[in-house]
Amino acid sequence: AQTVTQSQPEMSVQEAETVTLSCTYDTSESDYYLFWYKQPPSRQMILVIRQEAYKQQNATENRFSVNFQKAAKSFSLKISDSQLGDAAMYFCAYWGNAGNMLTFGGGTRLMVKP
Amino acid sequence: GAVVSQHPSWVICKSGTSVKIECRSLDFQATTMFWYRQFPKQSLMLMATSNEGSKATYEQGVEKDKFLINHASLTLSTLTVTSAHPEDSSFYICSARTSGGTQETQYFGPGTRLLVL
Repeated sequence: AQTVTQSQPEMSVQEAETVTLSCTYDTSESDYYLFWYKQPPSRQMILVIRQEAYKQQNATENRFSVNFQKAAKSFSLKISDSQLGDAAMYFCAYWGNAGNMLTFGGGTRLMVKP
Repeated sequence: GAVVSQHPSWVICKSGTSVKIECRSLDFQATTMFWYRQFPKQSLMLMATSNEGSKATYEQGVEKDKFLINHASLTLSTLTVTSAHPEDSSFYICSARTSGGTQETQYFGPGTRLLVL
C-alpha cells in the first residue's frame, strides 16, 4: 500500500520569505500523480499544484513550485514571497493508477508571520 | 479549476434522526465521487468511493448501513447518515474526480459540519 509522509507538523515563515514543505511517499508504481492541497480555516480543500510522475519538469503555479525527486520519492512544495493568506494546513497527496483513491499525508500547518 | 458544491454546509440535528448531504459537480461530469470524514486537526479519512450507477465501495470500518451513499447521476452523489448519534458529529467532505485524460484531478466540496445533539 502507498503511504505519504509529511514530517513537519508545523512550519513558520516570515511574510515575503520563502518556505519549503516536505513530503515523501512510498510506492512500487512507476506511473502516478502527486498533489498539494491547501486547507485554510474555512476548511475548503483547494488544489495548489499537481505533478505527473512521468514528467521530469517540476510543476509551477505562480508563487508555488515543487521539487519532484522521483528516485528519492520526494515531493516538496516551495512557496515564494509568502503572504498572510498562505497560512493554512497543507496536505500532500498521492494518486496511483493501481488504486482508485487519493492517499493523504498527515498535513503541515503553515503559519505566516507579518 | 472545477467546482464542487456541497449542501448543507451546516446541520444540527437530534440524535436518532437521519441527515442527507448532497454533493454536486457543477461544471463537469464525475463518474467517481468520494466521501471523507475529517476530525479536528487531522487529515482526511476516506469513507467510501461512489461510482455512478453502481454500489459504493466502503473503506474498512465504515458501516455501509449507517452511511448510505447514492450516486444517481454523473453530477450528484448523496451521503445519508442514518439514525445519527453524537459520535457521528464531524466534518464531512465530498470530492469529485474529473474523468479521463492526463489532467485527471480530484476537486473537493466545501464540506458539511454535522453536529448531533
